[in-house]
Amino acid sequence: QSMLTQPPSVSGTPGQRVSISCSGSYSNVARSAVYWYQRLPGAAPKLIVTSTNHRPSGVPDRFSGSKSGTSAPLAINGLQSEDEAEYFCAAWDDSLNGHVFGGGTKLTVL
Amino acid sequence: EVQLVESGGGLIQPGGSLRLSCAASGFTFGSYWMHWVRQAPGKGLVWLSYSNAAESDTNYADSVKGRFTISRDNARNTLYLQMNSLRNDDTAVYFCARGGGANYAGLEYWGRGTLVTVSS
Repeated sequence: QSMLTQPPSVSGTPGQRVSISCSGSYSNVARSAVYWYQRLPGAAPKLIVTSTNHRPSGVPDRFSGSKSGTSAPLAINGLQSEDEAEYFCAAWDDSLNGHVFGGGTKLTVL
Repeated sequence: EVQLVESGGGLIQPGGSLRLSCAASGFTFGSYWMHWVRQAPGKGLVWLSYSNAAESDTNYADSVKGRFTISRDNARNTLYLQMNSLRNDDTAVYFCARGGGANYAGLEYWGRGTLVTVSS
């Protein structure tokens, strides 16, 4: 049912840079702002990237978003153990008149 | 501090109805778009519905259109989701979330969710 495509899992070691891909279509990623959410186990999802490449107040600058066409990856620099969580990309979809999410990517810090 | 607390989940038989509530605090509830999103076990997040501040603009995902109804009581700072004709595949954790200044804006704050299990 997910409209955006993410890898199920990625992993990295502390200090490493990792990237999580997010692929959509013309009606969503290409035409709209992209959002990234972090969900720690048992916690509420948290908005960590807004308007494709902006961070809400309090989000470390290690997290950065970008977009090119229908692709919008999230990069995490200087990986830390507390970054271990599930990450979801999302975008507004003009054809659905609603938000669409990716299936989520589980990040493991080795 | 912005807080959103969902309640009303539980075990319900297929075909049954349930009403979820989302109590909001720490912000002017009547000024924001609000959304419902769910996550089925082992699956990703799925957007379900939004309401503007006045409840004059609402919309639903196709999977719940005609069965679920979003509403809000701005005087009580509470968002609701009335769920009818529940199916097994409605089993999920249901989250409410505060939107930004438009329906397409990011979901800035979320609750921890309430679990709905549809099973006979």
